[in-house]
Amino acid sequence: NAGVTQTPKFQVLKTGQSMTLQCAQDMNHEYMSWYRQDPGMGLRLIHYSVGAGITDQGEVPNGYNVSRSTTEDFPLRLLSAAPSQTSVYFCASSLTGAPNQPQHFGDGTRLSIL
Amino acid sequence: QKEVEQDPGPLSVPEGAIVSLNCTYSNSAFQYFMWYRQYSRKGPELLMYTYSSGNKEDGRFTAQVDKSSKYISLFIRDSQPSDSATYLCAPGRDTGRRALTFGSGTRLQVQP
Repeated sequence: NAGVTQTPKFQVLKTGQSMTLQCAQDMNHEYMSWYRQDPGMGLRLIHYSVGAGITDQGEVPNGYNVSRSTTEDFPLRLLSAAPSQTSVYFCASSLTGAPNQPQHFGDGTRLSIL
Repeated sequence: QKEVEQDPGPLSVPEGAIVSLNCTYSNSAFQYFMWYRQYSRKGPELLMYTYSSGNKEDGRFTAQVDKSSKYISLFIRDSQPSDSATYLCAPGRDTGRRALTFGSGTRLQVQP
């Protein structure tokens, strides 16, 4: 079982560059989300999706775009990378997004912006 | 003030000790209380889930919620070196944006 797969695992960017973090799940989950994890800050929600074609902003959406064209994939785009976006990014999925359902996380993308 | 507060640790204990991990929260709308465990360089994984106040036991782990004082606890009995990880509390609500609010996590080290 692959679960939630994130690529790449590591990435170094220069300020101003753009890139897409990939996330795919094979559990037919409707709900998918992106978090960033910074020391002392916990996991903060960037964007989420309750199904194909439906996305919404989370707690810290500025500088990021998402789309959900299929149930399986939920890419996160950095439009113009800034050093403040240096972080570990996690993608997660759950069946419907109800708070009592377990969220399944990928192993993260470690992103460094120089 | 953060909605969910956790002591970051690290908390270092000898193997076999009883461990107490705690969170406080400020939003009285939280009804679901999750504990996630995160090993180094891995994503979090759900450890336990409790609804409303009370206790829930699962093997060596006990989750406790006191909604009157907005206090969440996770107890680990007979701690093992394999329990060394970061523990994240994550309360959630069933209205509004139905996402969990994660604490920053407590790093636990169990010494053999």
